[in-house]
Amino acid sequence: SQQGEEDPQALSIQEGENATMNCSYKTSINNLQWYRQNSGRGLVHLILIRSNEREKHSGRLRVTLDTSKKSSSLLITASRAADTASYFCASSSGSARQLTFGSGTQLTVLP
Amino acid sequence: DTAVSQTPKYLVTQMGNDKSIKCEQNLGHDTMYWYKQDSKKFLKIMFSYNNKELIINETVPNRFSPKSPDKAHLNLHINSLELGDSAVYFCASSQARSGGGTGELFFGEGSRLTVL
Repeated sequence: SQQGEEDPQALSIQEGENATMNCSYKTSINNLQWYRQNSGRGLVHLILIRSNEREKHSGRLRVTLDTSKKSSSLLITASRAADTASYFCASSSGSARQLTFGSGTQLTVLP
Repeated sequence: DTAVSQTPKYLVTQMGNDKSIKCEQNLGHDTMYWYKQDSKKFLKIMFSYNNKELIINETVPNRFSPKSPDKAHLNLHINSLELGDSAVYFCASSQARSGGGTGELFFGEGSRLTVL
């Protein structure tokens, strides 16, 4: 079964605005990761947050993690047209050597 | 220098044929994966190898057979292709993290398989 659900499925904003995407997962995790996928390309890792962390920043990205609600959010500030892509959360649970991906959010940033 | 490379990028074939996709990583990682991405962009793990040993084999038809000749290569062979096999197949690699859990995955560019 799919571990993660993302919300919204699609998001369209104007350049310069902030974009927030949410992810929920079902089991306890070791870490949660966010990936980006441009159309027709492979996934690229953006940021990893460990289960004992609550917030992490990387450039214009801010990730939060709430393990009590089993949820995470990705905030992209001051969005650019080049941020247009699909964004996926992925969870690492237990001893399994794999990531389970969410359903993804398609972000469109209009110039 | 491409970190994870997979070939071919595109495959168009008839139902019933057999095809292979090759993957190589030059990152020195110990774990490699095959993921399948369907038309709705949902990504599902198929197989995972750690140092040439199969460690994850999700519910995948046995028409799909992975092979890892060494820890830098993981190939996927598909027999008797069916229409439902049409998807994008991604190879990925990662290195073990201390303290458990899976670290960052590095993905190839994908192999788009179309079965007619």
